[in-house]
Amino acid sequence: NAGVTQTPKFRILKIGQSMTLQCAQDMNHNYMYWYRQDPGMGLKLIYYSVGAGITDKGEVPNGYNVSRSTTEDFPLRLELAAPSQTSVYFCASSPETTEAFFGQGTRLTVV
Amino acid sequence: AQKVTQAQTEISVVEKEDVTLDCVYETRDTTYYLFWYKQPPSGELVFLIRRNSFDEQNEISGRYSWNFQKSTSSFNFTITASQVVDSAVYFCALSDPYNTDKLIFGTGTRLQVFP
Repeated sequence: NAGVTQTPKFRILKIGQSMTLQCAQDMNHNYMYWYRQDPGMGLKLIYYSVGAGITDKGEVPNGYNVSRSTTEDFPLRLELAAPSQTSVYFCASSPETTEAFFGQGTRLTVV
Repeated sequence: AQKVTQAQTEISVVEKEDVTLDCVYETRDTTYYLFWYKQPPSGELVFLIRRNSFDEQNEISGRYSWNFQKSTSSFNFTITASQVVDSAVYFCALSDPYNTDKLIFGTGTRLQVFP
C-alpha cells in the first residue's frame, strides 16, 4: 500500500545549489503532477505528465525541470535554488477522471 | 480561465457547533469535477469528495455534507457537530477531465475547533 512516495521529507538548500525531489507511485497511474504550496496559499501546479516520455508546464514552472522516463517515477529538478523556491512540494498521481492521490510532501527551505 | 475562491481564510468554532465552508468556482467548461481535500496539521492531503458537474445531488457522509449548486457556482461543505479532530485546512479544487485532470485549488480555509 505504498501509493505515492516522496523523498526526502525535509531538505535545506543553500542558494545556488541543485537538487532532485523524488516521486514514485506504484498504482500504474498515467497522470502525475508536481504542486507547490506556499504558506497560506493553495497548491499551484508546477509540471505534469500524462504518461512516460510526456511532460508539460503548469502554472509556475520557472526554475524547475522534470522528466518521466517510466510510468512509476516523476522526479522534479531544481537547478539553481532561490529563496523563492522555499515551499512544500507535493507529488500526485491520478488514474484519469478520478481523484488525485498525493504524497506526504517535501518541505524545502532555501537559505 | 478557471478559478476557485474560498473567501473564508479562517473559521473558529466551539466543539459541537455546525460549520459551513464556502467554495465558489469559475469555469467555462460544461464538464468538470469539484473536490474537497483536508490538510490536517501533519501536512498530508486527504481526499474527501469528488463531484461531477452533471450530478447536483447533495451528498452526506456521516457528519460531512456537501451542497453543490450550479446556478451559483458553489460547492459548499458543512461539518455537523464539529469535533477537535476536524481542525485542519480545507481546500476546494476544480479539475477539467478533458485536460489532464489538473487541479485548480482555492487558497484554503483554516478551521479551528476548540473544546
